[in-house]
Amino acid sequence: QQPVQSPQAVILREGEDAVINCSSSKALYSVHWYRQKHGEAPVFLMILLKGGEQKGHEKISASFNEKKQQSSLYLTASQLSYSGTYFCGTESGSGYALNFGKGTSLLVTP
Amino acid sequence: SAVISQKPSRDICQRGTSLTIQCQVDSQVTMMFWYRQQPGQSLTLIATANQGSEATYESGFVIDKFPISRPNLTFSTLTVSNMSPEDSSIYLCSAGGGRTEAFFGQGTRLTVV
Repeated sequence: QQPVQSPQAVILREGEDAVINCSSSKALYSVHWYRQKHGEAPVFLMILLKGGEQKGHEKISASFNEKKQQSSLYLTASQLSYSGTYFCGTESGSGYALNFGKGTSLLVTP
Repeated sequence: SAVISQKPSRDICQRGTSLTIQCQVDSQVTMMFWYRQQPGQSLTLIATANQGSEATYESGFVIDKFPISRPNLTFSTLTVSNMSPEDSSIYLCSAGGGRTEAFFGQGTRLTVV
């Protein structure tokens, strides 16, 4: 089942912060976050696992509320390179296939 | 981290024909996945491919239309059969996921005319 992402789009000035949310109606085993730039493959940002383990890039932070089946991605002091579409992918324990949200388009302007 | 080589990167095909997309992973992986992505849209899972068994298809996708092969732990192909303009999309293969990051091929941009 497709997770729900919000907001759909964000425009930031360089240096500003943003939060992207992802929620699911099913219990989650893991939440993944990816960024995709136009014409490119999605790039890994973060995994949040049931039980509290996290793996990801140093400059990226995220949270995972297992009880509420919600995750948030925190982008602080945004840079121009942060522009792209952010997808959350969720796994409900039925193998490793990820179900992706519709994406959040982020544009960072000078 | 794994690297996935996917080809072709793009193709323009006549309706009614078939196209086979190949993905080669630089390490052995248990499962590979095939996604379809319309421009500006999300990734939709087509099927999961395990080595040595038939692929598992998601609702709305059938083996006759999207046959998949997985002959070994580093390679998989997806064929888009009897193509129509509605099949125009970006097709991505992936490996990993679960407790590890997922890796993606660069995608195949398919246009059916």
